[in-house]
Amino acid sequence: DGGITQSPKYLFRKEGQNVTLSCEQNLNHDAMYWYRQDPGQGLRLIYYSQIVNDFQKGDIAEGYSVSREKKESFPLTVTSAQKNPTAFYLCASRLDSRNLGYGYTFGSGTRLTVV
Amino acid sequence: AQKITQTQPGMFVQEKEAVTLDCTYDTSDPSYGLFWYKQPSSGEMIFLIYQGSYDQQNATEGRYSLNFQKARKSANLVISASQLGDSAMYFCAMRGLNYGGSQGNLIFGKGTKLSVKP
Repeated sequence: DGGITQSPKYLFRKEGQNVTLSCEQNLNHDAMYWYRQDPGQGLRLIYYSQIVNDFQKGDIAEGYSVSREKKESFPLTVTSAQKNPTAFYLCASRLDSRNLGYGYTFGSGTRLTVV
Repeated sequence: AQKITQTQPGMFVQEKEAVTLDCTYDTSDPSYGLFWYKQPSSGEMIFLIYQGSYDQQNATEGRYSLNFQKARKSANLVISASQLGDSAMYFCAMRGLNYGGSQGNLIFGKGTKLSVKP
């Protein structure tokens, strides 16, 4: 079955370390997204990519980096410059279509904790 | 600017009763789509229902229906016969054809936490 796989489900990071969250999709979707969610809060867009080798900053890109070398993959690196990285991270993808009915498919998320 | 507003941070409903979750939106796009997602405590986002701006009828999916009032720019989610498993965060979202350089991106509201009481 097609879907989005995020790994790991739980991740612990020591202060000063970079960590990379994986997001892989086999839906042949064009666009991919990373969101951050703090407890009881909504989704905040970190980065998105609409085509391979291209990506744009979202609302809270500082302290994060991404790459899009393959259509299927959109890894997110949380760098040591991100001062408060403890949060729930969601990856999503979308088929690039002018059909407005195409929304997002989400992964199951990665919960990152700084220890 | 495009915006989604969910004014109910939290709501309670008795099991087997119906509940309405409010969503208002603002957009200058003539064509747009409205979505509702459910997020249980496990964290995954589950797509519930979609309404297109030119759809003549309100969308329905099982126990979910969308009360779409275009003139009032509202897209409220109605859950009939609430179940304990409906306890979750619910997000309203919108996309249009033109959001500057971010064509196709969804814009999300802040969510409503629904708690179903036995």
